[in-house]
Amino acid sequence: AQKITQTQPGMFVQEKEAVTLDCTYDTSDQSYGLFWYKQPSSGEMIFLIYQGSYDEQNATEGRYSLNFQKARKSANLVISASQLGDSAMYFCAMREGLNGNNRLAFGKGNQVVVIP
Amino acid sequence: DTGVSQDPRHKITKRGQNVTFRCDPISEHNRLYWYRQTLGQGPEFLTYFQNEAQLEKSRLLSDRFSAERPKGSFSTLEIQRTEQGDSAMYLCASSLAMGPGTGFPGNTIYFGEGSWLTVV
Repeated sequence: AQKITQTQPGMFVQEKEAVTLDCTYDTSDQSYGLFWYKQPSSGEMIFLIYQGSYDEQNATEGRYSLNFQKARKSANLVISASQLGDSAMYFCAMREGLNGNNRLAFGKGNQVVVIP
Repeated sequence: DTGVSQDPRHKITKRGQNVTFRCDPISEHNRLYWYRQTLGQGPEFLTYFQNEAQLEKSRLLSDRFSAERPKGSFSTLEIQRTEQGDSAMYLCASSLAMGPGTGFPGNTIYFGEGSWLTVV
């Protein structure tokens, strides 16, 4: 069963505009972590932001914020003030359990192209 | 640069040959992971080490694949008798296991730039 679902088609966003990338997840665990990674064409997976299942506040890191809705099992990434360098694939990932299960389950990614 | 480094970045090999990839994790990280990513997909977990011990292997890791981390520092991933279906990017990642709970930022997993494999 798919644990992470990212279904948006490729997105074009105007420079300086905000963009929201959808991610829904499936787990029966109470403790889990949610991650967003950026993958530019060079291939490197760049860590952007993390949200723990027990965190009461939505995570923020600079221009990145995570809209965490636990009851709906969604963890959408918001990129504010888009820049040309934000053009990349964006992956949502989940790690289940406390410290035992160390594997990340990834979605299929969202393609973002920022246009000037 | 103190991030995760991988070598080689690109490898083209003939079917049936053996290939080996090397990963150097972030120096203080005790956990090291290997993932595989094919075109249009997210990375898929292959295996992970805590220090020198290989603690988990995915069913994706066939008998032709072997990973080692002999001194708990760098790791190698070897693929024997390569097949065209092995063509993918092999990503290494590392993390520092600081303790239980998902609220520990130190458990964040950092990836390298990947090693692209093309089997012809």
